[in-house]
Amino acid sequence: AQSVTQPDIHITVSEGASLELRCNYSYGATPYLFWYVQSPGQGLQLLLKYFSGDTLVQGIKGFEAEFKRSQSSFNLRKPSVHWSDAAEYFCAVAPGSGGYNKLIFGAGTRLAVHP
Amino acid sequence: ETGVTQTPRHLVMGMTNKKSLKCEQHLGHNAMYWYKQSAKKPLELMFVYSLEERVENNSVPSRFSPECPNSSHLFLHLHTLQPEDSALYLCASSQVTDSYEQYFGPGTRLTVT
Repeated sequence: AQSVTQPDIHITVSEGASLELRCNYSYGATPYLFWYVQSPGQGLQLLLKYFSGDTLVQGIKGFEAEFKRSQSSFNLRKPSVHWSDAAEYFCAVAPGSGGYNKLIFGAGTRLAVHP
Repeated sequence: ETGVTQTPRHLVMGMTNKKSLKCEQHLGHNAMYWYKQSAKKPLELMFVYSLEERVENNSVPSRFSPECPNSSHLFLHLHTLQPEDSALYLCASSQVTDSYEQYFGPGTRLTVT
């Protein structure tokens, strides 16, 4: 069965520091991969996605993610974190088999930013 | 209005009440979803409507009843809920293509007393 693992439940970084959030997936073929962000009291906003092609993808708000097939990973990075980046981040996978769009989400990583 | 809207944003109901959650998407999509988000648990997909037909029902108790009258509107009818049903209920929409991008509403925070 497909699954998504986000090993870090909570991460705290200082403002201006770099950030990497980990995501590992379990799926036989290459899935479609996503990162979403959820601010307190809000819904989920799509940060970026990977379907095929260049394994380094750029997203909104200065985020990027790199797909590594050999490690079944899709880690999210940002070179310099801002206090407004404090939120919960979700990695998600879709099987890529067409039809309606079923996403499987990881449990999320809550990011705190120290001034 | 743009994107995906949900009403009400907050709802407190007793276990014997009947209420409905409403979701509306203004994106021209043709698939809609209900998710449940509880503390310390991954998002749980509850129902999926594709082209106005229910295509997935993930073992959700019958006290939750979805309705999709057209491609823009989705309802979740609630009756005789339990305290463990307290959660954030998220609606999402997408286009049934290979894009797989889902757009989420802000959610309804439900408290069952």
